Amino acid sequence: DIQMTQSPSSLSASVGDRVTITCQASQDISEYLNWYQQKPGKAPNLLIYDASNLQSGVTSRFSGSGSGTDFTFTISSLQPEDIATYYCQQYDHLPPTFGGGTKVEI
Amino acid sequence: QVQLVQSGAEVRKPGASVKISCRASGYSFTSHYMHWVRQAPGQGLEWMGVINPSGGSTSYAQKFQGRVTLTRGTSTSTVYMELSGLRSEDTAVYYCARAQAPYNWNYQFDFWGQGTLVTVSS
Repeated sequence: DIQMTQSPSSLSASVGDRVTITCQASQDISEYLNWYQQKPGKAPNLLIYDASNLQSGVTSRFSGSGSGTDFTFTISSLQPEDIATYYCQQYDHLPPTFGGGTKVEI
Repeated sequence: QVQLVQSGAEVRKPGASVKISCRASGYSFTSHYMHWVRQAPGQGLEWMGVINPSGGSTSYAQKFQGRVTLTRGTSTSTVYMELSGLRSEDTAVYYCARAQAPYNWNYQFDFWGQGTLVTVSS
């Protein structure tokens, strides 16, 4: 299975800060990468698909980039409602696998 | 609007089986494959398998092969996940999640059920 390594595992930032999360795949996954947000006690929510495409209805504060093995998820200006855990997920090789998550706090 | 509504929490003893339902509404049930993903307490997400609601074909993660069975009822727009041989490590929240793109083995999950907690304890 492809291993997805996210960093950091947690971070604390201030409202208005730019926040960046990285995700590294154990082998080339092209751009077959998604990003999800999960708030406590809730199901995940798809934010970014195919590495850089913003899901319909998702705020433009969120963006994604990367290809191959290295990917980045960015929150341009952190807001209180962005407090959550973020997961990357690859689907180039089955089974689809998720990163370990990044918990974002204020 | 698209909704996935799952059945309620379950408690099982080790070695038993559990069957969870996921009822879909707000879209054409047979047009989008349905996945199952689980999350152990305080842990990350783990993909279990997928079913094509139209023909019933399935694909499972090797880790769960032989223990998990996905089925569907087209008349009720419901997908079922049955997990057998339960052990304590199977204690988790189980989610159904819809594949975003219709009519193919798509692995972008755009709508999720609310989750079903399965507790395995003697």
